[in-house]
Amino acid sequence: EADIYQTPRYLVIGTGKKITLECSQTMGHDKMYWYQQDPGMELHLIHYSYGVNSTEKGDLSSESTVSRIRTEHFPLTLESARPSHTSQYLCASSGFIAGAYHNEQFFGPGTRLTVL
Amino acid sequence: GQQLNQSPQSMFIQEGEDVSMNCTSSSIFNTWLWYKQDPGEGPVLLIALYKAGELTSNGRLTAQFGITRKDSFLNISASIPSDVGIYFCAGLLYNNNDMRFGAGTRLTVKP
Repeated sequence: EADIYQTPRYLVIGTGKKITLECSQTMGHDKMYWYQQDPGMELHLIHYSYGVNSTEKGDLSSESTVSRIRTEHFPLTLESARPSHTSQYLCASSGFIAGAYHNEQFFGPGTRLTVL
Repeated sequence: GQQLNQSPQSMFIQEGEDVSMNCTSSSIFNTWLWYKQDPGEGPVLLIALYKAGELTSNGRLTAQFGITRKDSFLNISASIPSDVGIYFCAGLLYNNNDMRFGAGTRLTVKP
């Protein structure tokens, strides 16, 4: 079972606010990912990291930024939230499980963000 | 980028019926994955397939990695109400770093 956590689960904020969505995993996975998903729709990769101090932009352009200072932590920040940022944000990780490397991604529960 | 075509988009079935959904692509994938997502939650991995032709089961779920490596299907037998949700296929490209998702199949099970 995957141990990956996201906080907050729900967030409603006003336009212009700075927010940080937290993601942590306790599996020691080297790779971590952020996806954006509108309700019931497909997932779009917005950021990924292959390890500490490694961050890359994904396929979907996003105004958010990420950092990877520790293996277990991959926060996503929006400097100035706008209504167009309203969506569900999913964090995922992949790496060694029981001594074998697995490329399949394990997801957190998500953060549903609403910007008014 | 490489797209996965997942079908059907939605299914409405009676409890006890079997379900089949599939994903196809013009690209070759190294790994095929099937996830289930409940409303307001993150996707949960159901089955992972690593070799062309591989057939794997997880309880009432059975999935196959197509022999051409360009497709996969998922079958659910004897559906129950808790099978309701959105099922996503995902494929890992040759470099194992690039994962693509299908658009999802929304399953509704009527008691």
